[in-house]
Amino acid sequence: IAGITQAPTSQILAAGRRMTLRCTQDMRHNAMYWYRQDLGLGLRLIHYSNTAGTTGKGEVPDGYSVSRANTDDFPLTLASAVPSQTSVYFCASARGDRGHGEQFFGPGTRLTVL
Amino acid sequence: TQLLEQSPQFLSIQEGENLTVYCNSSSVFSSLQWYRQEPGEGPVLLVTVVTGGEVKKLKRLTFQFGDARKDSSLHITAAQPGDTGLYLCAGDTGNQFYFGTGTSLTVI
Repeated sequence: IAGITQAPTSQILAAGRRMTLRCTQDMRHNAMYWYRQDLGLGLRLIHYSNTAGTTGKGEVPDGYSVSRANTDDFPLTLASAVPSQTSVYFCASARGDRGHGEQFFGPGTRLTVL
Repeated sequence: TQLLEQSPQFLSIQEGENLTVYCNSSSVFSSLQWYRQEPGEGPVLLVTVVTGGEVKKLKRLTFQFGDARKDSSLHITAAQPGDTGLYLCAGDTGNQFYFGTGTSLTVI
């Protein structure tokens, strides 16, 4: 693994289903983030984690949950998907414990909820 | 309501022209970053500006942070087709980063 990876690359999901988007980084970064990107709205922060074992809510956390059991992994779960969660999801990491400095982004997961 | 507004939203220019992209807010940021994103990929950092009034140059790209640390601009000189992409600004409030709405640039 080099950098930050996300899985799956894309997914079509029926409304009401549960879905977990995976994110793994091998840079030993303290901070990790989940964003969604929608046309005309830019990137909006869903949840973040400043260090392993802690998480926080971003701008648009409703309908999503995260966990940070270790430094490398930061999965995002949609407990019961709705069509408004159709978006491109990006995971990112940064070195500082408050996320200051460069954020490194994964390639994204394109999610469609029908 | 977006914390950071970028303008223009879309820009299509001829190769060799100059352009400026603006990133504006009513909030003060401890730092501001500019990213460039290609289709199908995540954003990649171009520059971070920290001090009010700071100007940074990266080859043909010039970045400026406003004196009050509420706004920023990106100026590209003699644009090339390789500059095509989505340009995003991101402001650090101390708690988290807020991204702008993005400027989609096409150089033809």
